Amino acid sequence: GEDVEQSLFLSVREGDSSVINCTYTDSSSTYLYWYKQEPGAGLQLLTYIFSNMDMKQDQRLTVLLNKKDKHLSLRIADTQTGDSAIYFCAESDQAGTALIFGKGTTLSVSS
Amino acid sequence: GAVVSQHPSRVICKSGTSVKIECRSLDFQATTMFWYRQFPKQSLMLMATSNEGSKATYEQGVEKDKFLINHASLTLSTLTVTSAHPEDSSFYICSASNDYGYTFGSGTRLTVV
Repeated sequence: GEDVEQSLFLSVREGDSSVINCTYTDSSSTYLYWYKQEPGAGLQLLTYIFSNMDMKQDQRLTVLLNKKDKHLSLRIADTQTGDSAIYFCAESDQAGTALIFGKGTTLSVSS
Repeated sequence: GAVVSQHPSRVICKSGTSVKIECRSLDFQATTMFWYRQFPKQSLMLMATSNEGSKATYEQGVEKDKFLINHASLTLSTLTVTSAHPEDSSFYICSASNDYGYTFGSGTRLTVV
């Protein structure tokens, strides 16, 4: 079945850039998402990218997609302490089907 | 934007009792609602997919008689954990798909004592 893999932890200093990586196995993945989860809270959609795109930038967030390698990354520029959270990569192969999530990357930002 | 209201946010119940979790789409019609379960420091595991007016489709390993899902209207889906046991303690999150993508509820922390 489909699988989404992420590294579990990332630690950065405030002001540095953070890069969170994700790989997926489903070659028919069409929609790829990044969600943020703060302790005890639900999921907040950060950004998404369609499989026909290579890059998407939204303020401090940059998403890169390498469809050939099935690799997705999220770059957070000028990382702040408020960015500390768990970041989930998720994919679906068509609109309206359930999202498949990675295990999440815990981002720790130190001042 | 699209909002999904989920409640209760926290519930503590005694072992053997049932608990109902509600998810409402406030400003859109949610034809399909997904229910996830999240264990501490782990990913979201899909439990079931519910479509308005039809029976839910459960993922392998999820007991349909224990986790009752009802999706009677386009704006409301409920998950009832029946005869809850401590191992059912978890974080449950609903999600609705719509024109905006996927909108998640804020989650329900269930603790069974």
